[in-house]
Amino acid sequence: KQEVTQIPAALSVPEGENLVLNCSFTDSAIYNLQWFRQDPGKGLTSLLLIQSSQREQTSGRLNASLDKSSGRSTLYIAASQPGDSATYLCAIGTGTASKLTFGTGTRLQVTL
Amino acid sequence: DAGITQSPRHKVTETGTPVTLRCHQTENHRYMYWYRQDPGHGLRLIHYSYGVKDTDKGEVSDGYSVSRSKTEDFLLTLESATSSQTSVYFCAISGDRDIGEQFFGPGTRLTVL
Repeated sequence: KQEVTQIPAALSVPEGENLVLNCSFTDSAIYNLQWFRQDPGKGLTSLLLIQSSQREQTSGRLNASLDKSSGRSTLYIAASQPGDSATYLCAIGTGTASKLTFGTGTRLQVTL
Repeated sequence: DAGITQSPRHKVTETGTPVTLRCHQTENHRYMYWYRQDPGHGLRLIHYSYGVKDTDKGEVSDGYSVSRSKTEDFLLTLESATSSQTSVYFCAISGDRDIGEQFFGPGTRLTVL
C-alpha cells in the first residue's frame, strides 16, 4: 500500500524567502505525482503534475522535482508572498486510472 | 478552471437516512472520482469511474455506492448515513489517461447527526 508523508506539517516564513516542501512515498511504482494547493474551506487547485518518466516541472515561481528511486519529491517556491499562504498537498497517482494517494499536507504561512 | 460542480454544497442529515451527492462536469472527461477529506487522514479515494456504467472501489468504499449513467454525472450514495461519514466530499475529473492530471470540484460538507 502506497504511503505518502509530507514534512514539515506546518511552516512559517517571512515574505521573500525561498522555501522547499518535502514529500516522500513508499512505493516507487507510480504513474505520476501531483502537487495541489488548498485554501481554507476551499477545493484543491492543481499546481504541477510530474509524469513518472520526468524529473521536474516548473510553473512560474514553482518548481517540483521527482526522484522515484529514493521515493521523494520536493516543491520549491521562490520569493514567497503572503498570497502563497495555504496548505500544499502532494499526491501519488497509481494504476490505470491514476488513482491518487495523498499526503496530509504542509500548512504554509508567509508573513509580512 | 475545469467545469465541475457539486451539489449540494452543504448538507446536514440524521443517522440512518439515505444521502446522495452529485458531481456534474462539463468537460466530457472519461474519469471521475470521489474522495473524502478528514482531519488527520487527508484525502482518501472512495470510488472512481472510468466510463459510463464502469466503476470501481477505492480505499474507503464501505458504506458507499456510486452510479454513472451519463458521462457528465457521477453520483455518490450513502445508503444509511452514519456519524463516521461526516466529512468533506470532493469530486475530481481526469480526461487523458496518458497525462492523468486530476481537477477537483468545490466540495460538499456533509454532517451526519
